[in-house]
Amino acid sequence: GAVVSQHPSRVICKSGTSVKIECRSLDFQATTMFWYRQFPKKSLMLMATSNEGSKATYEQGVEKDKFLINHASLTLSTLTVTSAHPEDSSFYICSANWLGSALGYGYTFGSGTRLTVV
Amino acid sequence: GNSVTQMEGPVTLSEEAFLTINCTYTATGYPSLFWYVQYPGEGLQLLLKATKADDKGSNKGFEATYRKETTSFHLEKGSVQVSDSAVYFCALGKSNTGKLIFGQGTTLQVKP
Repeated sequence: GAVVSQHPSRVICKSGTSVKIECRSLDFQATTMFWYRQFPKKSLMLMATSNEGSKATYEQGVEKDKFLINHASLTLSTLTVTSAHPEDSSFYICSANWLGSALGYGYTFGSGTRLTVV
Repeated sequence: GNSVTQMEGPVTLSEEAFLTINCTYTATGYPSLFWYVQYPGEGLQLLLKATKADDKGSNKGFEATYRKETTSFHLEKGSVQVSDSAVYFCALGKSNTGKLIFGQGTTLQVKP
């Protein structure tokens, strides 16, 4: 249980184009999802908290207009990297938290998306 | 503020050696603590967790005990295998925000 599917796993795009990454909770409802960015050999940096039916909450230093987040349903959040540039190349990972009566709360991560902007 | 500090890597061990990866945290209140593992090119998988002081999380031979007095959550395994080679992340989470705060990750390399 508590599976998160992230798609695509890899994407290569041209500089100036936009890329959409999807994050789906397959067997549970996720009112909140999180988007992280991971630089090579670095830890995960939280970019934003995605709330179903409302605007995302961005961390300090993350450009809202650059990284558009939409959480239109309880099972889907999307991250769109707009007007991508080579410096946006990174590994993006989503996660969702869930509340289980027996286990308390927890987090499940997607498998990540490797974005390469050329 | 809340933060997590892990020991610097990489850690290189021979198969069947004992593993310790240190993790200390700073937090207000009573966070939950987690260890995640990331294999090359993949996302994160929960390895184990502990939700309150003195809890011991365990999975696949790995263990970590939530020590409030030393604000630590060190990861241990008695006998590592080559297949344990990965990056290990210590993290803390607060139920009221749902956010996870990660340490910088420690690369483990196990040689046959």
